[in-house]
Amino acid sequence: DSGVTQTPKHLITATGQRVTLRCSPRSGDLSVYWYQQSLDQGLQFLIQYYNGEERAKGNILERFSAQQFPDLHSELNLSSLELGDSALYFCASSVGGTAGTDTQYFGPGTRLTVL
Amino acid sequence: AQTVTQSQPEMSVQEAETVTLSCTYDTSENNYYLFWYKQPPSRQMILVIRQEAYKQQNATENRFSVNFQKAAKSFSLKISDSQLGDTAMYFCAFREGSNYKLTFGKGTLLTVNP
Repeated sequence: DSGVTQTPKHLITATGQRVTLRCSPRSGDLSVYWYQQSLDQGLQFLIQYYNGEERAKGNILERFSAQQFPDLHSELNLSSLELGDSALYFCASSVGGTAGTDTQYFGPGTRLTVL
Repeated sequence: AQTVTQSQPEMSVQEAETVTLSCTYDTSENNYYLFWYKQPPSRQMILVIRQEAYKQQNATENRFSVNFQKAAKSFSLKISDSQLGDTAMYFCAFREGSNYKLTFGKGTLLTVNP
C-alpha cells in the first residue's frame, strides 16, 4: 500500500457525460500528479499540482481539468466523455519540494469505462 | 523531448533464475533520474528501484539491481532468484532533474514460470 488513495475504483458511464475522480496523497506529500494509462497511448502524464497550484501540464485534453484543494486532495474532472477516454487513471504523490530527489508513489488507479 | 524505449514486449523466466529487462532512453540533459516501476495484475504501480544519473554506483534493492550505462543511455533491470510474485508488467521511467514529469516506456510483460 503506497498510502495514496483513489476513488472510485471503477466508473462506468456514457459518452457525453462528466465524471470526477478523486485522489488523496500520502501524508506529508504536497504534490499530486495525474497519469492516464491506455492500451494505445501507454502511460502518459496529464498534470501536476503542488500545494494547491498547477505546476506542470502534459498531454491533458481541454475537456479535462484538475484542481488541488487546501487539504491537498485532488480531483480530476473529465467532461464530454468519448469512447477513447476509457482508460486507467492514476494519481501519484510526492513531497514535491525539490525536484532532484523527488519520488512519485502511485495510487491504485480508477478504471474508467465509457460506453 | 525525452523518449524511453523498452525493446522487449514480453519475457519469461523460470522460478529461481535470473532475468534482465532492457531500457534505453534519449535525452540531452545531464541531470536526470531513472526508475523501474512494476505493475502486477492488480494494476497497482509499485516503485521497484531508482537511479540518480550523477551516481556511478548501480542501485540495488534486495533481488533487484540495475546496470546503468550513462554513455550508452542504457538502464537495465536485473531480477535475481525470480519468484512467482515477480510476474508483472515492468515500466522503465525517466525524469529530468529539474522537472517532475515522468516519461514511461511501453513496458515489458514478465512471466515467471514455476
